[in-house]
Amino acid sequence: DTGVSQDPRHKITKRGQNVTFRCDPISEHNRLYWYRQTLGQGPEFLTYFQNEAQLEKSRLLSDRFSAERPKGSFSTLEIQRTEQGDSAMYLCASSLYPWGQHGNTIYFGEGSWLTVV
Amino acid sequence: DQQVKQNSPSLSVQEGRISILNCDYTNSMFDYFLWYKKYPAEGPTFLISISSIKDKNEDGRFTVFLNKSAKHLSLHIVPSQPGDSAVYFCAASGANTGGFKTIFGAGTRLFVKA
Repeated sequence: DTGVSQDPRHKITKRGQNVTFRCDPISEHNRLYWYRQTLGQGPEFLTYFQNEAQLEKSRLLSDRFSAERPKGSFSTLEIQRTEQGDSAMYLCASSLYPWGQHGNTIYFGEGSWLTVV
Repeated sequence: DQQVKQNSPSLSVQEGRISILNCDYTNSMFDYFLWYKKYPAEGPTFLISISSIKDKNEDGRFTVFLNKSAKHLSLHIVPSQPGDSAVYFCAASGANTGGFKTIFGAGTRLFVKA
């Protein structure tokens, strides 16, 4: 399977703990995105990388959130001092830039569910 | 500021009939539009896309129509099947979304009744 993979799929943590999610993009994709989705909403953009460079961060990404893509392959999203409002599905996606015939199509992983209790 | 809007939270359709999901956008600089399908507890799956230079794109049972003057696009599913029951997200990207990031609507939940 050469799709986007995310780990873990589910995480339950106590408020105040740190959590880390990992994403492995489609192998030939150089762009990697993190989104967050809550019930009743569409995916909200958090940040994206081109290769190892983090090119944009949303205002949604508070200073408790940090994302890395150290070697331009997999990425991690860490949330420090979790709060109940952080409970959401965290989605990773990847794409190939420059766009080919498929335009700017991003492909998502299965998502990582976070529940903060 | 919702740049991509899906005003119908849900839609119910009989199996075999046509499903029409609608989407409006506000940013005239969007030049690429996509539809994704999402089942519960899974990530969104890419369904179909359309470039702003076209007004229609078809893939099997799925057709996307783009009306640039009205800033409106729609997804037609014909014939609808029970397995199509899911949440459908409209999305858009373009030169002025900052690095061409993709912006999503809130989704429409489609129920296809057998």
